[in-house]
Amino acid sequence: AQKITQTQPGMFVQEKEAVTLDCTYDTSDQSYGLFWYKQPSSGEMIFLIYQGSYDEQNATEGRYSLNFQKARKSANLVISASQLGDSAMYFCAMREGSETSGSRLTFGEGTQLTVNP
Amino acid sequence: NAGVTQTPKFQVLKTGQSMTLQCAQDMNHNSMYWYRQDPGMGLRLIYYSASEGTTDKGEVPNGYNVSRLNKREFSLRLESAAPSQTSVYFCASRVGQGVSPLHFGNGTRLTVT
Repeated sequence: AQKITQTQPGMFVQEKEAVTLDCTYDTSDQSYGLFWYKQPSSGEMIFLIYQGSYDEQNATEGRYSLNFQKARKSANLVISASQLGDSAMYFCAMREGSETSGSRLTFGEGTQLTVNP
Repeated sequence: NAGVTQTPKFQVLKTGQSMTLQCAQDMNHNSMYWYRQDPGMGLRLIYYSASEGTTDKGEVPNGYNVSRLNKREFSLRLESAAPSQTSVYFCASRVGQGVSPLHFGNGTRLTVT
């Protein structure tokens, strides 16, 4: 079964508008972490934002915020005021279990975001 | 400030040849990972090493072996390359505690003909 599901293969947004990229996850662990990464066309992987399962507040980093709904097992990425440079592939990833167990991170299939001028 | 360094950047192999992908990190991270990225499939974990001296299989370990040579270095070996192993390979590392994201290398584009 898929542990991380990103249901939007492609998304389009107008410059300066906000966009939400969906991510749902499946785990039976109480302790886990959720990450979002950006991969521009140049290929490098850039860490954007992290949400821990016990964090009560939604994570924010500049124009990125994470809409974490634990009961629904969703961790959607919200990008505000989109810029042309936000055009990229975006991956959601999950760390299961506590860090002491030697964690592995599982990635979703990604969402290709295109920002239109 | 090198971070995670992968070599080579590009490689073409014939079916049946062997090769080793090298990875080194200079951030004193405990955990290291090898992923492969194929179109439409995201990143899939091949092997990982939670700490020096340990290695574990990921989702797609068949056809690969790894060595955690020391804390800094984690190599991936293809003993007998197959066309299905054509992919982009990423090495990554992380501290392994708390909020510790993966730091990625720039990838190796491998083609097996």
